[in-house]
Amino acid sequence: SQQGEEDPQALSIQEGENATMNCSYKTSINNLQWYRQNSGRGLVHLILIRSNEREKHSGRLRVTLDTSKKSSSLLITASRAADTASYFCATDSYNQGGKLIFGQGTELSVKP
Amino acid sequence: EAGVAQSPRYKIIEKRQSVAFWCNPISGHATLYWYQQILGQGPKLLIQFQNNGVVDDSQLPKDRFSAERLKGVDSTLKIQPAKLEDSAVYLCASSLVGGRAFFGQGTRLTVV
Repeated sequence: SQQGEEDPQALSIQEGENATMNCSYKTSINNLQWYRQNSGRGLVHLILIRSNEREKHSGRLRVTLDTSKKSSSLLITASRAADTASYFCATDSYNQGGKLIFGQGTELSVKP
Repeated sequence: EAGVAQSPRYKIIEKRQSVAFWCNPISGHATLYWYQQILGQGPKLLIQFQNNGVVDDSQLPKDRFSAERLKGVDSTLKIQPAKLEDSAVYLCASSLVGGRAFFGQGTRLTVV
């Protein structure tokens, strides 16, 4: 069962530009997490935002959460070629038994 | 701290053979997840344990897949018999209840 859906599916930008990825979900959540995955590698946790939080920052990353719209966004500022990866949102929902469900991801390409 | 350990890293088997994957989570993490990730897609939750009880296994093809978590620590995921469409990366992750998930490097399975 799919909970989070990322948009866009693919994004190509130049180094130094900002990248924004969106995630929409269907049911109420406890928290929403963003992960990065480089090709052929494991998933790296970026940020966890709880349902009672609206914004969190970590270095060049900014995550917002709008529970009324059931959506979240991940902003990467001043992107670098090393940010090239797939980005996934994952939701932890109480009424789904606390399952951690991933979306299909956004593939980000940052060109030098 | 030590991360989530998975073995083997790679496995090639013929269809109809059986295969087993092993996962050792981070010490103290009550929640353990097994995901299947097919190339180009997001991770699909197969089974989620809390301690040695199953939170959800609704996406686990129970006619061929089985998983156990003995003593609430290590876990094994077995496929018997394997099909071509089982070719994927199998990811194990662990977390504190409601916390961020830490992922292992995964096992890349190729069924020929």
